[in-house]
Amino acid sequence: KNEVEQSPQNLTAQEGEFITINCSYSVGISALHWLQQHPGGGIVSLFMLSSGKKKHGRLIATINIQEKHSSLHITASHPRDSAVYICAVVYGGATNKLIFGTGTLLAVQP
Amino acid sequence: DGGITQSPKYLFRKEGQNVTLSCEQNLNHDAMYWYRQDPGQGLRLIYYSQIVNDFQKGDIAEGYSVSREKKESFPLTVTSAQKNPTAFYLCASSPSGNSPLHFGNGTRLTVT
Repeated sequence: KNEVEQSPQNLTAQEGEFITINCSYSVGISALHWLQQHPGGGIVSLFMLSSGKKKHGRLIATINIQEKHSSLHITASHPRDSAVYICAVVYGGATNKLIFGTGTLLAVQP
Repeated sequence: DGGITQSPKYLFRKEGQNVTLSCEQNLNHDAMYWYRQDPGQGLRLIYYSQIVNDFQKGDIAEGYSVSREKKESFPLTVTSAQKNPTAFYLCASSPSGNSPLHFGNGTRLTVT
């Protein structure tokens, strides 16, 4: 069993829909990253959080440390949101100790 | 604009040849990392460096080597000892060991 599990693996949505991507993990962590990888391969860091909730534009990330679960929400989705979304957990208190999920491929259709 | 530059974007080599992937950052970050991405798998850490002239092996360091002679540069050499070198390689940096990561655009290496 992977230490970081994302669901769903693939997601197709219509423009304007509310989207949720989930991340569950089995190790003790100090923080969790949400990353976005575009088709060209480059990765952008969306959020780094260790508790509660963060919001940036149409993106919202939440984490429940007790339940070992995090969600990434996209409101009013747009085709430009189409990408792979990756969850990564930080354990051991150092960024080098990251475990990455395999990603969720999101396609938003116009 | 500050950022991380990886070059080249695509690289082709024959089996048995060493190849060096470039990673340069102008963010003044102390920590730099190399990850490998394979289809269906999460990123895996190859090497990392927390400070100039120092680096540590990650989870899959065998067949790879690095150097950190300058703060802004962290080149990765894929040696002929790496059994399965064809992959997508990502370089990242952060201000310190527990900060958000900044990634480059990656280098896709194909070895035939």
